[in-house]
Amino acid sequence: EAQVTQNPRYLITVTGKKLTVTCSQNMNHEYMSWYRQDPGLGLRQIYYSMNVEVTDKGDVPEGYKVSRKEKRNFPLILESPSPNQTSLYFCASSRAGASVYTQYFGPGTRLTVL
Amino acid sequence: QKEVEQNSGPLSVPEGAIASLNCTYSDRVSQSFFWYRQYSGKSPELIMSIYSNGDKEDGRFTAQLNKASQYVSLLIRDSQPSDSATYLCAVRYAGGTSYGKLTFGQGTILTVHP
Repeated sequence: EAQVTQNPRYLITVTGKKLTVTCSQNMNHEYMSWYRQDPGLGLRQIYYSMNVEVTDKGDVPEGYKVSRKEKRNFPLILESPSPNQTSLYFCASSRAGASVYTQYFGPGTRLTVL
Repeated sequence: QKEVEQNSGPLSVPEGAIASLNCTYSDRVSQSFFWYRQYSGKSPELIMSIYSNGDKEDGRFTAQLNKASQYVSLLIRDSQPSDSATYLCAVRYAGGTSYGKLTFGQGTILTVHP
C-alpha cells in the first residue's frame, strides 16, 4: 500500500528534551515536506527537501532541523523543544516536476511540549 | 506576506444542497490552486486542482477560478453528511524560491446535516 508513515503519532515531552519525529514514504517520491497545523493558522511549511541531501527552509523553520540521507526518509528534529512547538505535525511527499503540488500527507504527529 | 484567506465557518448546509466554499488570495501572480479535504483527526487529501480561469468539474465537485478577482471557490453539489469536513484552500505562488511550497488558508469547516 502506498503511504506516508510518521512516528510517533502522539508525543508528550518536556522543554529542552531533544526529540525526533520520523517520516517515511514508500512511493519513491523525490519531494518531501514538513508542515505544522495550528488552530486558525492553517498548515505552515517548516522544511522541505527536493531530493537526497537537498533541503531548504519553509515559512517557520526556527527551532527545527531536518536531514535527507535516504530518499524514503525525512526526519524532523527538535533539538530543544519549547511549549510554542506544541502542534500537529504532518509530513508530505510527492513526485517532482508538475506533480509536486499533489502532495500525500502522513497521518500526523500530535506533539505536546510541557 | 502572501496570504490565503478562507471563512472559517462553520458552514452548515442540509443534505442534498449545494455547499459553496470560498477562498481569496493576495498575489496576482499565483499560478496553481488546490482544494484539500481534511476529516476530523485525519490528514489532508487533495480533491481538486485548478490552473486556469473558469470552472473545472469532477463528479459532485466544481472548482471555480477567477484570477482577476483573486478568488477560487469549491462547489459541492448534492451535499452528503460524508462531506462534513474541513476544506483547505492552497495556493502555489509563482516566482517564489521555495520549490513545491503551498500556502494554505486556515480552512472552512463544513457540516452537512441530514
